[in-house]
Amino acid sequence: DAGITQSPRHKVTETGTPVTLRCHQTENHRYMYWYRQDPGHGLRLIHYSYGVKDTDKGEVSDGYSVSRSKTEDFLLTLESATSSQTSVYFCAISESSSGGQTYEQYFGPGTRLTVT
Amino acid sequence: KQEVTQIPAALSVPEGENLVLNCSFTDSAIYNLQWFRQDPGKGLTSLLLIQSSQREQTSGRLNASLDKSSGRSTLYIAASQPGDSATYLCAVMRARQLTFGSGTQLTVLP
Repeated sequence: DAGITQSPRHKVTETGTPVTLRCHQTENHRYMYWYRQDPGHGLRLIHYSYGVKDTDKGEVSDGYSVSRSKTEDFLLTLESATSSQTSVYFCAISESSSGGQTYEQYFGPGTRLTVT
Repeated sequence: KQEVTQIPAALSVPEGENLVLNCSFTDSAIYNLQWFRQDPGKGLTSLLLIQSSQREQTSGRLNASLDKSSGRSTLYIAASQPGDSATYLCAVMRARQLTFGSGTQLTVLP
């Protein structure tokens, strides 16, 4: 299994509270991703990173920010959590070709976030 | 916008049966296609990756095919076992982003 850990694994928070989720990898892969998974919507990309301090938005980025100060860590922050952000959040990693395209993605175990 | 569809949404088969899961996508300009397995309450496990220049990939009892021009991929599972019960997801890669289908929930009955 790819060396990906996510913390915390479960969190319950109140509306309006800031929340930070952490993804840590030991594979030294260049690309890191944050997804959310919801019934009826499947997996959707929130943000991704293609290097230290290099990030870009995905399909559902509103209300989320990310940071990557080290190769191994990718943080997802909900500045002011809302009930619509209750979801399961997955981190993924992949390596890239010299042309910038990405290879196989490997997923972490997920974080279940409940916003009350 | 890329859309990925998986049919059927759920499938129940007796143990030992060979089965095919289907995946279709609307934009054929993809870099690769990946099949995943997800067990309840767990993360995704990568099963097979097919590059856009390839027609198929095999791993054990699994065989995935890709027809990019028609926007279709199939995952063939031979001699199914109860341990194969899970949700199977396909995803297509374009412009550094994966777009997922909604999955097929497979149940293999003993």
